[in-house]
Amino acid sequence: EAGVAQSPRYKIIEKRQSVAFWCNPISGHATLYWYQQILGQGPKLLIQFQNNGVVDDSQLPKDRFSAERLKGVDSTLKIQPAKLEDSAVYLCASSTRGTGGYYGYTFGSGTRLTVV
Amino acid sequence: GEDVEQSLFLSVREGDSSVINCTYTDSSSTYLYWYKQEPGAGLQLLTYIFSNMDMKQDQRLTVLLNKKDKHLSLRIADTQTGDSAIYFCAVRMKTSYDKVIFGPGTSLSVIP
Repeated sequence: EAGVAQSPRYKIIEKRQSVAFWCNPISGHATLYWYQQILGQGPKLLIQFQNNGVVDDSQLPKDRFSAERLKGVDSTLKIQPAKLEDSAVYLCASSTRGTGGYYGYTFGSGTRLTVV
Repeated sequence: GEDVEQSLFLSVREGDSSVINCTYTDSSSTYLYWYKQEPGAGLQLLTYIFSNMDMKQDQRLTVLLNKKDKHLSLRIADTQTGDSAIYFCAVRMKTSYDKVIFGPGTSLSVIP
């Protein structure tokens, strides 16, 4: 099966500019996640979608970050305006329930954002 | 709140065994995972263990879970240079939406 696709691979922007990232999950995966991974740290969940709906966005800085999942498939994550501390890798992942109750994640390669 | 801790660095010689440790605070965890991240890549699921198991073996990988002490470990037998990467412990909590918390990662360096 095809993996989780993300674009762009790299992005460099100036602070106060806006940026958007795109994610196409594995076909049939109902759950989609956006994680922020700052250099040297583990991934931090920003937002989790179940089909079209948001089930957890408690750590999403809503004053500048927004995300949507169109028709329960592709998703975009936007930052407006960007700050220096937003420099990180933004990882998208998707998952589905297995027959044994195992919920595996598949991650995309990520988008490396540098804010200067 | 929930927390997952790991030691940040581990260095081993090629052919030796590596043991990467993880501790967590949430007692309602259901699944516990080990992910591998190579430079410039996303996270790759290596293995997982369900919380009612003590041990799981998968080829060179052995996962041990001590639920009482909330301690998880990953043993890599016959460590190879290709095993050099960052290893993340992750814990799935029993919530209505199965939240997963990641540790900070352990950077494994394999010396030839």
